[in-house]
Amino acid sequence: GAVVSQHPSWVICKSGTSVKIECRSLDFQATTMFWYRQFPKQSLMLMATSNEGSKATYEQGVEKDKFLINHASLTLSTLTVTSAHPEDSSFYICSAAGQVEAFFGQGTRLTVV
Amino acid sequence: DAKTTQPTSMDCAEGRAANLPCNHSTISGNEYVYWYRQIHSQGPQYIIHGLKNNETNEMASLIITEDRKSSTLILPHATLRDTAVYYCIVRSRGGGTSYGKLTFGQGTILTVHP
Repeated sequence: GAVVSQHPSWVICKSGTSVKIECRSLDFQATTMFWYRQFPKQSLMLMATSNEGSKATYEQGVEKDKFLINHASLTLSTLTVTSAHPEDSSFYICSAAGQVEAFFGQGTRLTVV
Repeated sequence: DAKTTQPTSMDCAEGRAANLPCNHSTISGNEYVYWYRQIHSQGPQYIIHGLKNNETNEMASLIITEDRKSSTLILPHATLRDTAVYYCIVRSRGGGTSYGKLTFGQGTILTVHP
Protein backbone atom coordinates (compact mmCIF):
# COMPACT_ATOMS: atom_id res chain seq x y z
CA GLY A 1 0.00 0.00 0.00
CA ALA A 2 0.90 3.64 -0.25
CA VAL A 3 3.19 5.19 2.31
CA VAL A 4 2.61 8.34 4.29
CA SER A 5 5.52 9.53 6.36
CA GLN A 6 5.45 11.95 9.29
CA HIS A 7 8.38 13.79 10.77
CA PRO A 8 9.35 14.04 13.53
CA SER A 9 8.06 10.94 15.31
CA TRP A 10 8.30 12.73 18.59
CA VAL A 11 9.19 16.21 19.77
CA ILE A 12 9.55 17.99 23.08
CA CYS A 13 9.28 21.75 23.10
CA LYS A 14 9.10 24.55 25.60
CA SER A 15 5.85 26.30 26.30
CA GLY A 16 5.39 29.32 24.03
CA THR A 17 7.45 27.99 21.14
CA SER A 18 6.17 26.71 17.80
CA VAL A 19 6.53 23.24 16.38
CA LYS A 20 6.20 22.12 12.77
CA ILE A 21 5.14 18.61 11.81
CA GLU A 22 5.59 17.36 8.27
CA CYS A 23 3.43 14.83 6.47
CA ARG A 24 4.63 13.41 3.17
CA SER A 25 2.96 11.03 0.74
CA LEU A 26 5.92 9.09 -0.59
CA ASP A 27 4.55 7.30 -3.61
CA PHE A 28 1.41 9.09 -4.70
CA GLN A 29 0.07 12.60 -5.10
CA ALA A 30 -2.29 13.69 -2.36
CA THR A 31 -4.50 16.60 -3.25
CA THR A 32 -6.08 16.38 0.16
CA MET A 33 -4.59 15.37 3.47
CA PHE A 34 -6.14 15.24 6.90
CA TRP A 35 -4.83 16.07 10.34
CA TYR A 36 -6.04 14.26 13.44
CA ARG A 37 -5.25 14.63 17.11
CA GLN A 38 -5.43 11.89 19.69
CA PHE A 39 -5.25 12.34 23.45
CA PRO A 40 -4.29 9.41 25.70
CA LYS A 41 -6.89 6.65 25.81
CA GLN A 42 -9.13 8.54 23.42
CA SER A 43 -10.03 8.12 19.79
CA LEU A 44 -8.76 10.14 16.85
CA MET A 45 -10.37 13.51 16.36
CA LEU A 46 -10.25 15.23 12.99
CA MET A 47 -8.73 18.69 13.25
CA ALA A 48 -8.62 19.91 9.68
CA THR A 49 -8.63 19.07 6.02
CA SER A 50 -5.57 20.23 4.14
CA ASN A 51 -6.08 21.12 0.49
CA GLU A 52 -3.19 21.54 -1.92
CA GLY A 53 -2.91 25.11 -3.07
CA SER A 54 -5.74 26.45 -0.97
CA LYS A 55 -6.71 27.17 2.60
CA ALA A 56 -7.31 24.36 5.02
CA THR A 57 -10.76 23.61 6.35
CA TYR A 58 -10.90 23.39 10.13
CA GLU A 59 -13.31 21.39 12.25
CA GLN A 60 -15.46 23.20 14.75
CA GLY A 61 -13.54 24.15 17.86
CA VAL A 62 -10.10 23.97 16.25
CA GLU A 63 -8.27 27.31 16.26
CA LYS A 64 -6.96 27.98 12.77
CA ASP A 65 -4.53 30.63 14.00
CA LYS A 66 -3.03 28.21 16.46
CA PHE A 67 -2.79 25.21 14.17
CA LEU A 68 -1.38 26.49 10.90
CA ILE A 69 -1.64 24.14 7.96
CA ASN A 70 0.26 24.51 4.71
CA HIS A 71 -0.17 22.21 1.73
CA ALA A 72 2.14 23.70 -0.83
CA SER A 73 2.71 20.60 -2.93
CA LEU A 74 0.93 17.37 -3.78
CA THR A 75 3.24 15.39 -1.54
CA LEU A 76 3.70 17.59 1.51
CA SER A 77 1.43 19.06 4.15
CA THR A 78 2.69 20.70 7.31
CA LEU A 79 1.02 21.41 10.63
CA THR A 80 2.53 24.10 12.81
CA VAL A 81 1.45 24.32 16.42
CA THR A 82 2.05 27.95 17.32
CA SER A 83 2.73 29.18 20.83
CA ALA A 84 2.40 25.68 22.14
CA HIS A 85 1.13 25.05 25.66
CA PRO A 86 1.11 21.91 27.78
CA GLU A 87 -2.53 21.26 26.86
CA ASP A 88 -1.42 20.92 23.22
CA SER A 89 0.58 17.84 24.17
CA SER A 90 -0.94 15.06 22.12
CA PHE A 91 -0.43 12.52 19.35
CA TYR A 92 -0.86 14.17 15.94
CA ILE A 93 -1.59 11.98 12.94
CA CYS A 94 -1.94 12.84 9.27
CA SER A 95 -3.57 10.85 6.50
CA ALA A 96 -4.00 10.95 2.76
CA ALA A 97 -6.84 9.48 0.75
CA GLY A 98 -6.10 6.71 -1.70
CA GLN A 99 -8.46 5.25 -4.24
CA VAL A 100 -9.88 2.74 -1.79
CA GLU A 101 -8.69 3.58 1.68
CA ALA A 102 -6.99 6.28 3.70
CA PHE A 103 -3.29 5.95 4.44
CA PHE A 104 -2.02 7.20 7.78
CA GLY A 105 1.32 8.45 8.91
CA GLN A 106 2.98 6.91 11.93
CA GLY A 107 2.06 9.90 14.08
CA THR A 108 3.98 12.57 15.98
CA ARG A 109 4.08 12.62 19.76
CA LEU A 110 4.23 16.24 20.91
CA THR A 111 5.12 17.04 24.50
CA VAL A 112 5.07 20.65 25.61
CA VAL A 113 6.93 21.38 28.83
CA ASP B 1 -22.02 9.22 8.23
CA ALA B 2 -23.86 6.60 10.24
CA LYS B 3 -22.92 6.00 13.86
CA THR B 4 -21.37 2.70 14.90
CA THR B 5 -21.42 0.82 18.19
CA GLN B 6 -18.67 -1.57 19.21
CA PRO B 7 -17.86 -3.41 22.43
CA THR B 8 -15.27 -1.61 24.49
CA SER B 9 -12.94 -4.56 24.78
CA MET B 10 -12.52 -8.21 23.84
CA ASP B 11 -10.05 -10.98 24.56
CA CYS B 12 -8.89 -13.74 22.27
CA ALA B 13 -6.50 -16.65 22.63
CA GLU B 14 -3.56 -16.78 20.27
CA GLY B 15 -4.28 -18.97 17.27
CA ARG B 16 -8.04 -18.74 17.66
CA ALA B 17 -10.38 -16.68 15.55
CA ALA B 18 -11.20 -13.20 16.78
CA ASN B 19 -14.72 -12.05 15.93
CA LEU B 20 -15.28 -8.33 16.41
CA PRO B 21 -18.88 -7.12 16.10
CA CYS B 22 -20.11 -3.72 15.00
CA ASN B 23 -23.62 -2.31 14.95
CA HIS B 24 -24.54 0.31 12.38
CA SER B 25 -28.32 0.27 12.36
CA THR B 26 -28.68 3.67 10.67
CA ILE B 27 -26.47 2.83 7.72
CA SER B 28 -27.79 4.07 4.40
CA GLY B 29 -27.68 2.43 1.02
CA ASN B 30 -24.59 4.18 -0.30
CA GLU B 31 -22.51 3.77 2.85
CA TYR B 32 -19.69 1.29 3.16
CA VAL B 33 -18.35 -0.40 6.27
CA TYR B 34 -14.63 0.11 6.82
CA TRP B 35 -12.37 -1.42 9.44
CA TYR B 36 -9.11 0.06 10.62
CA ARG B 37 -6.89 -0.87 13.53
CA GLN B 38 -4.42 1.08 15.59
CA ILE B 39 -1.56 -0.55 17.35
CA HIS B 40 -0.31 1.41 20.32
CA SER B 41 1.37 4.71 19.42
CA GLN B 42 1.07 4.16 15.67
CA GLY B 43 -1.16 5.52 12.95
CA PRO B 44 -4.29 3.54 11.99
CA GLN B 45 -3.96 0.74 9.47
CA TYR B 46 -6.59 -0.18 6.90
CA ILE B 47 -7.92 -3.72 7.22
CA ILE B 48 -10.91 -4.25 4.97
CA HIS B 49 -14.14 -2.70 3.71
CA GLY B 50 -17.42 -3.82 2.19
CA LEU B 51 -20.84 -2.69 1.03
CA LYS B 52 -23.19 -5.64 1.31
CA ASN B 53 -21.31 -8.74 0.26
CA ASN B 54 -18.91 -10.57 2.53
CA GLU B 55 -15.30 -9.72 1.83
CA THR B 56 -12.01 -11.47 2.51
CA ASN B 57 -8.42 -10.41 2.10
CA GLU B 58 -5.07 -11.51 3.43
CA MET B 59 -5.70 -9.87 6.77
CA ALA B 60 -9.32 -10.59 7.64
CA SER B 61 -12.86 -11.40 6.61
CA LEU B 62 -15.82 -9.06 6.84
CA ILE B 63 -19.30 -10.48 7.30
CA ILE B 64 -22.16 -8.03 6.75
CA THR B 65 -25.69 -9.03 7.69
CA GLU B 66 -28.33 -9.08 5.00
CA ASP B 67 -30.06 -6.00 6.41
CA ARG B 68 -26.64 -4.31 6.67
CA LYS B 69 -27.35 -3.16 10.20
CA SER B 70 -24.37 -4.98 11.65
CA SER B 71 -21.13 -6.58 10.64
CA THR B 72 -18.37 -8.75 12.06
CA LEU B 73 -14.68 -8.54 11.44
CA ILE B 74 -12.98 -11.91 11.64
CA LEU B 75 -9.28 -12.41 12.21
CA PRO B 76 -9.04 -16.14 11.45
CA HIS B 77 -5.91 -16.96 13.44
CA ALA B 78 -5.14 -14.19 15.89
CA THR B 79 -1.55 -13.56 16.89
CA LEU B 80 -0.09 -11.46 19.67
CA ARG B 81 0.68 -8.78 17.09
CA ASP B 82 -3.05 -8.39 16.41
CA THR B 83 -3.49 -6.76 19.82
CA ALA B 84 -4.79 -3.31 18.91
CA VAL B 85 -7.80 -1.00 18.90
CA TYR B 86 -10.15 -1.92 16.06
CA TYR B 87 -12.35 0.76 14.57
CA CYS B 88 -15.51 0.13 12.58
CA ILE B 89 -16.36 3.16 10.43
CA VAL B 90 -19.32 3.73 8.17
CA ARG B 91 -19.15 6.28 5.40
CA SER B 92 -20.08 6.87 1.83
CA ARG B 93 -17.43 6.26 -0.77
CA GLY B 94 -18.44 9.35 -2.60
CA GLY B 95 -16.00 10.80 -5.04
CA GLY B 96 -12.84 12.73 -4.95
CA THR B 97 -10.55 13.00 -2.02
CA SER B 98 -13.09 13.71 0.68
CA TYR B 99 -13.00 10.01 1.23
CA GLY B 100 -10.18 10.27 3.69
CA LYS B 101 -12.23 12.25 6.19
CA LEU B 102 -13.01 9.52 8.67
CA THR B 103 -15.00 9.77 11.88
CA PHE B 104 -13.52 7.47 14.50
CA GLY B 105 -15.57 6.08 17.35
CA GLN B 106 -14.07 4.57 20.48
CA GLY B 107 -13.35 1.22 18.85
CA THR B 108 -12.78 -2.18 20.43
CA ILE B 109 -9.61 -2.94 22.34
CA LEU B 110 -8.67 -6.47 21.28
CA THR B 111 -6.19 -8.24 23.49
CA VAL B 112 -4.71 -11.45 22.17
CA HIS B 113 -3.16 -13.54 24.91
CA PRO B 114 -0.89 -16.59 24.76
